[in-house]
Amino acid sequence: AQSVAQPEDQVNVAEGNPLTVKCTYSVSGNPYLFWYVQYPNRGLQFLLKYITGDNLVKGSYGFEAEFNKSQTSFHLKKPSALVSDSALYFCAVRDEDYGGSQGNLIFGKGTKLSVKP
Amino acid sequence: ETGVTQTPRHLVMGMTNKKSLKCEQHLGHNAMYWYKQSAKKPLELMFVYSLEERVENNSVPSRFSPECPNSSHLFLHLHTLQPEDSALYLCASSQDNNRRGQGYTFGSGTRLTVV
Repeated sequence: AQSVAQPEDQVNVAEGNPLTVKCTYSVSGNPYLFWYVQYPNRGLQFLLKYITGDNLVKGSYGFEAEFNKSQTSFHLKKPSALVSDSALYFCAVRDEDYGGSQGNLIFGKGTKLSVKP
Repeated sequence: ETGVTQTPRHLVMGMTNKKSLKCEQHLGHNAMYWYKQSAKKPLELMFVYSLEERVENNSVPSRFSPECPNSSHLFLHLHTLQPEDSALYLCASSQDNNRRGQGYTFGSGTRLTVV
């Protein structure tokens, strides 16, 4: 069965510093990986995805993520954090090889990012 | 706006009430989903509809009853809920449930409080 783990409940960063939000996954086949962001009282917004190709994926708002197959990780990164980046971040995975219930998008529990001025 | 609209945004209901949540998308998507979001827990997939047919029901209690009358609309009918059902209920859609490379488009959610 596929699963995704976000080991940190919260990440605190000073504005202007680089940030990393961690995500590891487990699938039987090849993974499709996603990052979403959720601002207060809003739904999830798509940031970026990895399907195939270059391991470094660039997305919205200056975020990027690096797919590492050997470490089964897909950490979200940004070179210089902004206060406005403070939000809840979700990693999600789909298994390439499965349909039905095992093919649905599975989310982690989310990581709260807090960027202080 | 994402193209997926959920109403109402907030709902307070008693345990004996009956209410419905509504989700609407005009993105031309063929699959729609209900998720439950509780604090510090992973998003829980509740129901999946593909081409208006339910294809997934993850052991959700019968007090939650989904309805998908067409590919643009999805409802979640609620009755005799419990306080632990209080959560943010998110609707999402995708072009095709079988296309693995697609993500989902989410609505803003309905914040449900059961008293």
